[in-house]
Amino acid sequence: SAVISQKPSRDICQRGTSLTIQCQVDSQVTMMFWYRQQPGQSLTLIATANQGSEATYESGFVIDKFPISRPNLTFSTLTVSNMSPEDSSIYLCSVEVGQDVGNTIYFGEGSWLTVV
Amino acid sequence: AQSVTQPDIHITVSEGASLELRCNYSYGATPYLFWYVQSPGQGLQLLLKYFSGDTLVQGIKGFEAEFKRSQSSFNLRKPSVHWSDAAEYFCAVAMYSSASKIIFGSGTRLSIRP
Repeated sequence: SAVISQKPSRDICQRGTSLTIQCQVDSQVTMMFWYRQQPGQSLTLIATANQGSEATYESGFVIDKFPISRPNLTFSTLTVSNMSPEDSSIYLCSVEVGQDVGNTIYFGEGSWLTVV
Repeated sequence: AQSVTQPDIHITVSEGASLELRCNYSYGATPYLFWYVQSPGQGLQLLLKYFSGDTLVQGIKGFEAEFKRSQSSFNLRKPSVHWSDAAEYFCAVAMYSSASKIIFGSGTRLSIRP
């Protein structure tokens, strides 16, 4: 299993500012993922972050808006840049544990951002 | 393209009653299927998953799900719900067991009537 800690758990941010979310895992993992969950919506994958390489972004998400760092196998950050009220969401970090078919995906408890 | 549908947005059941949450998927091959639960103010917790083998899968907290290929369904069941089961439930499908390929359903909100 994996225990994932995210910081901050909640924040209220001013429009136009940027906020960095941290994700810490209690074991080394190859693949880490960042999701967004807008109010009342399901989860949407933002990007995949592998250690030692550039993050891979999904359609509709760009590095300038959501820069990601992955300095080692237990840590990643997601920055939400130049925030607007539309960025008010839960941002979740996720990791994949295991190398074979049947591995498991774990989620952090999320970072709840409100942009005012 | 793969997709997953949860036709029920909100369900209310009485405490102690049985529960079934519906999930239908669209995928050309046998998918990998998951159910997650999100309690208020919490992240997602994996309830159970199906990759192959026995089509009836047992999960945590007394939940089970049955994979029915003929109906493209993976419904979640619990014989007797508890007030603590009130939460949002997400069905998810993946081509491979990889979070980068997981597609989530829109979720079903479960309320429990005392």
